[in-house]
Amino acid sequence: QVQLQQWGAGQLKPSETLSLTCAVYGGFFNNFYWGWIRQSPGKGLEWIGEINHSGSTNVNPSLKSRVSISVDTAKNQFSLKLKSVTAADAGVYYCVKVRLELLEYYYYMDVWGKGTAVTVSS
Amino acid sequence: DVQMTQSPSSLSASVGDRVTITCRASESISVYLNWYQQTPGKAPKLLIYSAYTLQSGVPSRFTGSGSGTDFTLTISSLQPEDFATYYCQQTYTNVVTFGGGTKVEIK
Repeated sequence: QVQLQQWGAGQLKPSETLSLTCAVYGGFFNNFYWGWIRQSPGKGLEWIGEINHSGSTNVNPSLKSRVSISVDTAKNQFSLKLKSVTAADAGVYYCVKVRLELLEYYYYMDVWGKGTAVTVSS
Repeated sequence: DVQMTQSPSSLSASVGDRVTITCRASESISVYLNWYQQTPGKAPKLLIYSAYTLQSGVPSRFTGSGSGTDFTLTISSLQPEDFATYYCQQTYTNVVTFGGGTKVEIK
């Protein structure tokens, strides 16, 4: 049973970099993609992107210029960095386990972290 | 990006009622449609993937149907723990998108 534990700074000033890390427990890290989703009252649920154990990423084009997703297979962890945050980046950020097998017609997020609330204010 | 439109945005129902939520995609997404349930202060929970496949551990009163652009989530007999917000999600295109949610409230 995979569990995700996430952490990172929750209070940021405009123009700072959001940095979150998610640790994976109880699963085969190399078998899945690992991703990030955020939720805000204004935009609802928004997909940020995902990465696999070899570092291959898929990132939302709307955030691509500011987002970096990385993986540390030795620690079974993956991380998100979002540069130059503004108030529009405030919300709850979730790390997720992604099951993706396009030949089998499935691609979904089946395990979610508890979420990290991020505020952006000067 | 594919736009996902859920209806209704909210509904009131009683325990035991049959509830149906619809999700429409702005273009065909085959069966790459997932449903999630979220209660206040919690992360979303996967209910159904690939339009109609029940996630392990999810009660059989939840069913999903549809393909192409029109999808439905049905709760056959609403239970107290089902009062929540439900989201559809498409994963067909290279930009994953979610519906705006349907809040199911107690009548």
